[in-house]
Parts: sequence; C-alpha cells; structure tokens
Amino acid sequence: KAGVTQTPRYLIKTRGQQVTLSCSPISGHRSVSWYQQTPGQGLQFLFEYFSETQRNKGNFPGRFSGRQFSNSRSEMNVSTLELGDSALYLCASSLRSAQDTQYFGPGTRLTVL
Amino acid sequence: QKEVEQNSGPLSVPEGAIASLNCTYSDRVSQSFFWYRQYSGKSPELIMSIYSNGDKEDGRFTAQLNKASQYVSLLIRDSQPSDSATYLCAVGRVTGGGNKLTFGTGTQLKVEL
Repeated sequence: KAGVTQTPRYLIKTRGQQVTLSCSPISGHRSVSWYQQTPGQGLQFLFEYFSETQRNKGNFPGRFSGRQFSNSRSEMNVSTLELGDSALYLCASSLRSAQDTQYFGPGTRLTVL
Repeated sequence: QKEVEQNSGPLSVPEGAIASLNCTYSDRVSQSFFWYRQYSGKSPELIMSIYSNGDKEDGRFTAQLNKASQYVSLLIRDSQPSDSATYLCAVGRVTGGGNKLTFGTGTQLKVEL
C-alpha cells in the first residue's frame, strides 16, 4: 500500500505571497491532519479533516486554512506569508481519527525569504 | 505547563545499553499514547502505540503507561547506533472540536560506540 505523499517537497516563497500544499493519504484513510514543525516549537497541530469537514483546529492564525476533497486528499493554504512561517509542514493520515495511529508523509519544507 | 513534556536531551547511552525515554502529560482524559522516531531531515515514524495501563513490548522496544501518574515511557533494549534519533511522545484525546494528537518536543537519543 502506498504511503502518504506530499507535494511539493520544497518551496521557496517571499513575504506576502501565498502557498498551497497538497497531501494524499494512505488509501482507505479518511482522517488527515496537518502539523507545522520548527526547531524551537516542535510539532504543532494545525488542523484535522475528516469526510471533507474540519473537525479540530490548532492555535494558528486565520492565514492558515485547509480543505479536504471527497477522495480524502487534502490541501492547506497559507496566505500573506511571514518569515516565521518557514518550517517543515507535515501531513499525517489515519483510518478514522487523529487518535488512531497516524502515518506521516515526507513533509514540505517551506522557506520564506 | 505544557500539555506533553519531554526532556530534550541529548540522552547518551553506550551501544548495547538500555535507553529510557520519559514523557508526562497534563490532560487526565487522554486516551491514546504513541512513540514516534524521527531521524534528522525525515518525517516521524511510529514505533509503538499504547492505550492501557501497563507494559507493551515489541522487539527491543517496551512502552510503559501509568495513567494515574500521567506518565508514559519508552525503553529501548540493546541500543544500537541506528537508534540515534529524536523520539517524540504523542498523546491523543477527544476535545470539544474533535480529536487531537499533541506531541512533545522530543528527546534526542545518541547511542555511542
């Protein structure tokens, strides 16, 4: 079974721009969660989607948004990028909920200049 | 108080020794507990999950959970240099808005020859 895939793997943007990241979960997994990982803050929860609905949201500003499609694929969008948004963005999928075992994708490394 | 706390390390152990990694959590209603391993530049990969009080063994790894003390640990027997990585403790719980997995900042383990 193919694992979680994320595209693109690397991105370089400038302040003020916006970015869209994509995640394809493991086949059959319906829950997709997004995390931001930085050296100082560790893995921080952004949001979780299940059946195209956001079920939970972390403590991030409204510039961070996401959505999930009927095939469980998910995208997250960051608008008006700031230098502090530079991070590794990880997507994880699980069968039903964020409490089930989560399997991570390789991540998207975002650099904001 | 952080929701999930880990000693950042580094924890150095000689090859062949037992490595003991610890994690405490603040929310008493937490229901699921995970240990992930993350190599530098890679995404987290699951080592163990545990849901009930007591010990759970899988090969060289043993997870221990004590809900009364809000404490979960991971023992690695016969440590190998390939075990050198950052170990992330994750705690799952149901919140008002859905399900949520919270990660600690990780403990860096170094296994020395």
